[in-house]
Amino acid sequence: SQTIHQWPATLVQPVGSPLSLECTVEGTSNPNLYWYRQAAGRGLQLLFYSVGIGQISSEVPQNLSASRPQDRQFILSSKKLLLSDSGFYLCAWSTGISNQPQHFGDGTRLSIL
Amino acid sequence: AQSVAQPEDQVNVAEGNPLTVKCTYSVSGNPYLFWYVQYPNRGLQFLLKYITGDNLVKGSYGFEAEFNKSQTSFHLKKPSALVSDSALYFCAVRHRDNYGQNFVFGPGTRLSVLP
Repeated sequence: SQTIHQWPATLVQPVGSPLSLECTVEGTSNPNLYWYRQAAGRGLQLLFYSVGIGQISSEVPQNLSASRPQDRQFILSSKKLLLSDSGFYLCAWSTGISNQPQHFGDGTRLSIL
Repeated sequence: AQSVAQPEDQVNVAEGNPLTVKCTYSVSGNPYLFWYVQYPNRGLQFLLKYITGDNLVKGSYGFEAEFNKSQTSFHLKKPSALVSDSALYFCAVRHRDNYGQNFVFGPGTRLSVLP
């Protein structure tokens, strides 16, 4: 069966520090991968998605970036965090078949001080 | 542009009563429709989906959803609510021809089931 792992679960970082959040998927090949941010326990904002290694599409211009160095690994990064980067970050995967759902990791709670 | 509306921020229902969480969408063509549930500090969990066929779709934990093409709606229902159903619920759509593309999520509805 397929599983998705996100770490760390919680992170407290000072303003201006770098960020690296990692997401890995097991049990499937060539998944579509997604990074979302959720503010205040409500709606999801799509940040990045990837349909293959090295292929990243950005949905929202910001100081975050994403990379996919391996087929089932998706990394969210920042060189300098802002206060506004605080939130709940969710990684998700799906197959390329459009009638299949997304599957989410358990998220990273990021607090910027 | 695709969009999903969940007109109620909050739904309160007494335990044992039926519940409905509403969703309407605006998508060209015939989309695929999904419901997800999110418990505190967890990721979204897939509940059910509509692809084609019968307008009443059954999913996990006793939930079902009714697809209405003329009203472009996909309301989530459960005949008898449990306190443990209290959570945040998201409706989502995906265009049939959108290979590798995005899911569009509604803003979420917070369901509170009162004992």
